[in-house]
Amino acid sequence: KNEVEQSPQNLTAQEGEFITINCSYSVGISALHWLQQHPGGGIVSLFMLSSGKKKHGRLIATINIQEKHSSLHITASHPRDSAVYICAATSYSGGGADGLTFGKGTHLIIQP
Amino acid sequence: GAGVSQSPSNKVTEKGKDVELRCDPISGHTALYWYRQSLGQGLEFLIYFQGNSAPDKSGLPSDRFSAERTGGSVSTLTIQRTQQEDSAVYLCASKLTGRNQPQHFGDGTRLSIL
Repeated sequence: KNEVEQSPQNLTAQEGEFITINCSYSVGISALHWLQQHPGGGIVSLFMLSSGKKKHGRLIATINIQEKHSSLHITASHPRDSAVYICAATSYSGGGADGLTFGKGTHLIIQP
Repeated sequence: GAGVSQSPSNKVTEKGKDVELRCDPISGHTALYWYRQSLGQGLEFLIYFQGNSAPDKSGLPSDRFSAERTGGSVSTLTIQRTQQEDSAVYLCASKLTGRNQPQHFGDGTRLSIL
């Protein structure tokens, strides 16, 4: 069983819709990351958070440490938001000291 | 400023050949990671370098895989006697020292073994 689970695996929505991607983890973490991967492979770090909530533009990330759960929200979604969104944890048992344990990603498609 | 640079961006080679992948981290980043992303799979950790410490090789899938980091900067990941299951995107990331510093990823090397 993967230590970081994401849902849904695939999500197709219409432009303008409010998007939520969920992440649950089973390990003790020091930080939870949300990454974005566009076709072609480049990965961008969107958020790193250890408590509460962070906002950047139309993106919002929240984490509930007690429930070991994080969500990524996209408001007023746009076709350019189409990408794979990956949840990752910096865990006390993860690979490489501060290395990341990854979820399998959520493939998001926003249709115009 | 310059990000993490990986080369080559694509590599196609025949089964059984050795390949070498290169990563130039962001200047000043002491930590360097190699990850692998196989088709349809999530990212998996391979190896981690931190400064001059011995690397954490716990993620390497077999003894055909090795990596070096010379002078605390550039790193090379070597795969010997490649197999078809080695086909994947190999990603490098670097970061500053500190548990909660973000990792910065390169664009990856797409490796295809024929």
